[in-house]
Amino acid sequence: GAVVSQHPSWVICKSGTSVKIECRSLDFQATTMFWYRQFPKQSLMLMATSNEGSKATYEQGVEKDKFLINHASLTLSTLTVTSAHPEDSSFYICSARDPLAGEADTQYFGPGTRLTVL
Amino acid sequence: GQNIDQPTEMTATEGAIVQINCTYQTSGFNGLFWYQQHAGEAPTFLSYNVLDGLEEKGRFSSFLSRSKGYSYLLLKELQMKDSASYLCAVLDSNYQLIWGAGTKLIIKP
Repeated sequence: GAVVSQHPSWVICKSGTSVKIECRSLDFQATTMFWYRQFPKQSLMLMATSNEGSKATYEQGVEKDKFLINHASLTLSTLTVTSAHPEDSSFYICSARDPLAGEADTQYFGPGTRLTVL
Repeated sequence: GQNIDQPTEMTATEGAIVQINCTYQTSGFNGLFWYQQHAGEAPTFLSYNVLDGLEEKGRFSSFLSRSKGYSYLLLKELQMKDSASYLCAVLDSNYQLIWGAGTKLIIKP
């Protein structure tokens, strides 16, 4: 099946620094990728939808200047948390949609990146 | 390698009961999640099991057997709104989520 990877798996950083998280589709081309964050035992909260070659669409309440998304190629999307603060500590999960999959709404999820901001 | 298996699709009748199985082989185990995802929406948390046994939450119950690498999600009194994809995910020893491909549940009147 389709595989989505994320890098890094976990990151610890100081408050005020920026952190970049990569999401890659390994065996398919993803025209659309999604970024979520998850707090313990809670539902995934959609942050933004990333379309290759165009600007990301952010959900209400998500600061686009703080969470920079770049979908430069059909296999890579990056999320940069700028000037991270402790309240940004969370589990960030990406997913990718395979346009050639039988089900148009099928998303393949990455393993997540655990961000801890000190 | 790490692997999670769940059926691709299931069909059930409104008012009935359906059980969605999930088997896993992962490097370590720190819990198993079930999520519900309606088309075009973000996955919604349903349950988290880390100990063996059955946990009931309204119409939904989740069961875990760590020794067998097995879990199931049981949905009772099915309603049309339960038509969705159900995702099984395991948190491995590195606290990484290993995802199943999801089971599309179709409810018929």
